[in-house]
Amino acid sequence: QQQVKQSPQSLIVQKGGISIINCAYENTAFDYFPWYQQFPGKGPALLIAIRPDVSEKKEGRFTISFNKSAKQFSLHIMDSQPGDSATYFCAASRARGSTLGRLYFGRGTQLTVWP
Amino acid sequence: DARVTQTPRHKVTEMGQEVTMRCQPILGHNTVFWYRQTMMQGLELLAYFRNRAPLDDSGMPKDRFSAEMPDATLATLKIQPSEPRDSAVYFCASGLVGGGIRNQPQHFGDGTRLSIL
Repeated sequence: QQQVKQSPQSLIVQKGGISIINCAYENTAFDYFPWYQQFPGKGPALLIAIRPDVSEKKEGRFTISFNKSAKQFSLHIMDSQPGDSATYFCAASRARGSTLGRLYFGRGTQLTVWP
Repeated sequence: DARVTQTPRHKVTEMGQEVTMRCQPILGHNTVFWYRQTMMQGLELLAYFRNRAPLDDSGMPKDRFSAEMPDATLATLKIQPSEPRDSAVYFCASGLVGGGIRNQPQHFGDGTRLSIL
């Protein structure tokens, strides 16, 4: 079953607006939560990541908010730009155990930013 | 700039033919992953290796798919015989895992776009 659930499937935002993508997980053993960005014809690339000991991480216009008790995390893109139009994947992994290093991906969100 | 290299980038072939996809991971990375991406299923993990040993291939249809790492610089994914439902983009990713190194990112190649007619 899908270990990380992501929504929405697609998102259309006007230039300058805020894009918000949400993810939820069940496995409390997850302790690393990266977001990947994928442009057409390219492989996914790491955008930003967070560990559960902090509730928020910001890098430029991109912010991850993390709610450990609710087992949810979200990506906020401030001042969205047409160049941000891409598919975004949330993921989760464990730092130890037999699945060390394996990423469990959400289904992806296709973001379109209109100029 | 180190990157994962996948060949071929595109492959069109007829049903029943053997398909081999190759991946050169980033030098020094000890873990290699194979993913398949489709509109319906998103990114699916097919198999992964650590230090060239297979760790998990439960995502692969065993009767037709096989994955190997003949050496540290080459990973291969083979489909024999291929079927139209195998049409997808196949990604290889590599990363450095373990040894006290926490949460290093996976680096993806640009994929092989496979079409089976």
